[in-house]
Amino acid sequence: AQKITQTQPGMFVQEKEAVTLDCTYDTSDPSYGLFWYKQPSSGEMIFLIYQGSYDQQNATEGRYSLNFQKARKSANLVISASQLGDSAMYFCAMRGGQAGTALIFGKGTTLSVSS
Amino acid sequence: DAGITQSPRHKVTETGTPVTLRCHQTENHRYMYWYRQDPGHGLRLIHYSYGVKDTDKGEVSDGYSVSRSKTEDFLLTLESATSSQTSVYFCAISEGQYTEAFFGQGTRLTVV
Repeated sequence: AQKITQTQPGMFVQEKEAVTLDCTYDTSDPSYGLFWYKQPSSGEMIFLIYQGSYDQQNATEGRYSLNFQKARKSANLVISASQLGDSAMYFCAMRGGQAGTALIFGKGTTLSVSS
Repeated sequence: DAGITQSPRHKVTETGTPVTLRCHQTENHRYMYWYRQDPGHGLRLIHYSYGVKDTDKGEVSDGYSVSRSKTEDFLLTLESATSSQTSVYFCAISEGQYTEAFFGQGTRLTVV
């Protein structure tokens, strides 16, 4: 069975600093995808970044990058130059390679950015 | 924005009554998902579908059933609602196995 673990219930960072949100996963599939989502206090789910298991390079999207360490089964989200608007809940998610495989989520990390 | 609509957005119902939540998409995406979100639990998968009439159970499927008779609609039914099913329910859609999922705005369900 697949599993996603986010061990940090809450993280605190000051504006303009970088922050890393941890995510580890477990799967027996050699082919899988990893996703990060942001959920602000308004409740909508916003897709941030995707990493495929066969991708050679770490994914980047603007201020977001994914530190993918396949051997360690970790897919940490790095947010550079934090902004007040980054305060939100962040979820790591995974889907395995088999057709019909579910998209599962971790429990999330609450990020608070202060000025 | 992806064309995904959940209805109703808010519902209060009594214990023991049946409830159906609807997820409608206009994107023709293959995959559809139902999640519930509760404090401290993140998003937990209830059921999902990988095609018309192809559905499977998720982590917390007890007390829930689903149907997908056409591509655009995925229905979640609580056969006999209980207070433990008070939650925010999200529907999501995705085109492929390795593409991002788009979420609906959520349905806040209260069972009294």
